[in-house]
Amino acid sequence: DQQVKQNSPSLSVQEGRISILNCDYTNSMFDYFLWYKKYPAEGPTFLISISSIKDKNEDGRFTVFLNKSAKHLSLHIVPSQPGDSAVYFCAASGAASKLTFGTGTRLQVTL
Amino acid sequence: NAGVTQTPKFQVLKTGQSMTLQCAQDMNHEYMSWYRQDPGMGLRLIHYSVGAGITDQGEVPNGYNVSRSTTEDFPLRLLSAAPSQTSVYFCASSGKRLTYEQYFGPGTRLTVT
Repeated sequence: DQQVKQNSPSLSVQEGRISILNCDYTNSMFDYFLWYKKYPAEGPTFLISISSIKDKNEDGRFTVFLNKSAKHLSLHIVPSQPGDSAVYFCAASGAASKLTFGTGTRLQVTL
Repeated sequence: NAGVTQTPKFQVLKTGQSMTLQCAQDMNHEYMSWYRQDPGMGLRLIHYSVGAGITDQGEVPNGYNVSRSTTEDFPLRLLSAAPSQTSVYFCASSGKRLTYEQYFGPGTRLTVT
């Protein structure tokens, strides 16, 4: 039972354009959401997070939007840069205080 | 600060062998976790610890043991390796609640033949 889903395994975007990565969840008890970025042969690195009491959080070029009624969150990267090419994981946590990860979306930013 | 370190980077085991994956952090973090990453499966939690002497099971604990005798170290033991344990293993630590920003190590790629 996949509680956190990233339905797009891959995404290709031109440099300078907006990248939008999507994530859906099924567990209504989740109250904190995070995005991690992973380069090949490295561990994931934390990118940005959002609490369920907010619907938007920004950090530079990265913005995460949360739609609780739709159980959907998205990560926007504007403008996209070649160095953003990586696998992005969405993760969620709830009262059990453990992270549940999605399966990841591979973003490729082309020149 | 080295952050989270893991050894070895690569390992090949035969079915039935045992081994320990090492994980250490120098950030004085209370919380540490072990994950495995398999194609199409994301990262799945194996075991975690909320402090020295305290461990608990995650989503996929079978075939693995952990202990936490110090704040810095959190080794993962494979008792009798099976091909289904072929995976990339990541250790992570966090100074806050277990699920807040976690710092990951570089991973150990394990192959069981």
